[in-house]
Amino acid sequence: GAGVSQSPSNKVTEKGKDVELRCDPISGHTALYWYRQSLGQGLEFLIYFQGNSAPDKSGLPSDRFSAERTGGSVSTLTIQRTQQEDSAVYLCASSPWTGNNQPQHFGDGTRLSIL
Amino acid sequence: RKEVEQDPGPFNVPEGATVAFNCTYSNSASQSFFWYRQDCRKEPKLLMSVYSSGNEDGRFTAQLNRASQYISLLIRDSKLSDSATYLCVVTFRGSQGNLIFGKGTKLSVKP
Repeated sequence: GAGVSQSPSNKVTEKGKDVELRCDPISGHTALYWYRQSLGQGLEFLIYFQGNSAPDKSGLPSDRFSAERTGGSVSTLTIQRTQQEDSAVYLCASSPWTGNNQPQHFGDGTRLSIL
Repeated sequence: RKEVEQDPGPFNVPEGATVAFNCTYSNSASQSFFWYRQDCRKEPKLLMSVYSSGNEDGRFTAQLNRASQYISLLIRDSKLSDSATYLCVVTFRGSQGNLIFGKGTKLSVKP
């Protein structure tokens, strides 16, 4: 379909390893958002992109987290030196543009488990 | 204090029942309001936006009270397929659309 696509669906890795999560937004959507959902917790905003620019990185939990977006399309979220508390479902969403009234379309998420 | 608070439930109701969920938000600069639905181990999906005048979409009615910083969702004639977690979501003025989620209210509709 033409929805938001995330990969991998599941990722299991050892503590201390780096992981890279990928999000392919809906074609033509300029706004892209990353969230995470930990067990028993609500969704937590991480970072958003308007085009290739990330004006607001305030939600990233630590400097081990980074994200980039190239070509105004695909985005990658990288977690370095993973810790067990990084285990969560990482969700990506896109919308036609940024703005508080824009509905966001979510991908299926990447379920990350740190052993 | 959490920015968006919801009763976690679960709400267990029989088919055909009417059920109401409430949500409060702490930031008076909140600008836009939504209800999302999330099925078990699935992604959130937009159910409806919430407007100041209140709005209805079929069996679903959403209300907003800015003075009390309170949002509600009413589901009439519940169906088995309504079983899900309902997420109250707000955005803040100037936030560029970053969604602030409540933890959700779980609804289980029984035959």
